[in-house]
Amino acid sequence: SQKIEQNSEALNIQEGKTATLTCNYTNYSPAYLQWYRQDPGRGPVFLLLIRENEKEKRKERLKVTFDTTLKQSLFHVTASQPADSATYLCALVRSSASKIIFGSGTRLSIRP
Amino acid sequence: DAGVTQSPTHLIKTRGQHVTLRCSPISGHKSVSWYQQVLGQGPQFIFQYYEKEERGRGNFPDRFSARQFPNYSSELNVNALLLGDSALYLCASSPVAGASYNEQFFGPGTRLTVL
Repeated sequence: SQKIEQNSEALNIQEGKTATLTCNYTNYSPAYLQWYRQDPGRGPVFLLLIRENEKEKRKERLKVTFDTTLKQSLFHVTASQPADSATYLCALVRSSASKIIFGSGTRLSIRP
Repeated sequence: DAGVTQSPTHLIKTRGQHVTLRCSPISGHKSVSWYQQVLGQGPQFIFQYYEKEERGRGNFPDRFSARQFPNYSSELNVNALLLGDSALYLCASSPVAGASYNEQFFGPGTRLTVL
């Protein structure tokens, strides 16, 4: 069955360091991969989308990579700040489907 | 501009009851999707509607149904509630039909508790 795995435990990072979150998938061939941020009690907020033919995407202090051979995406937050503390979700979708599959998320904590 | 709005914010029901959740998309957005998010898990896709037509359905029983109105607002209905239906129900809107691979805008959700 299709499976998406994100960092199994919460990630605790010192302010100013780079946080790297992992999204691995099996039995799936996504055409697109998205990353969202979710704060407690709120809906997810879209951050970045990367297509299967793109290796890397950047937006301000965020960088996403997509390796379809390894079936993995890495999400980097550079120069991390306490305000970056949140749960980050990866989501996969095939081009032929309207259905989107989310991972369970990784809780990132940035300590001052 | 107003974002996606959902009502009610919180809801408590008992097993066997029926519930209707409502969503108003961002003005100009014609696509609405519904998700169920259980505590500690990621959102799980339930339905997608575009121009009042169902465009996608997740692996949920027939107790779950939805519709989209001419003004693009949407309702999610759940019949014969079970304890396991307790979750945060999220609505997301998008301006285009291919909502899954375009940016989606999520509402704050409706927290449903089934006792």
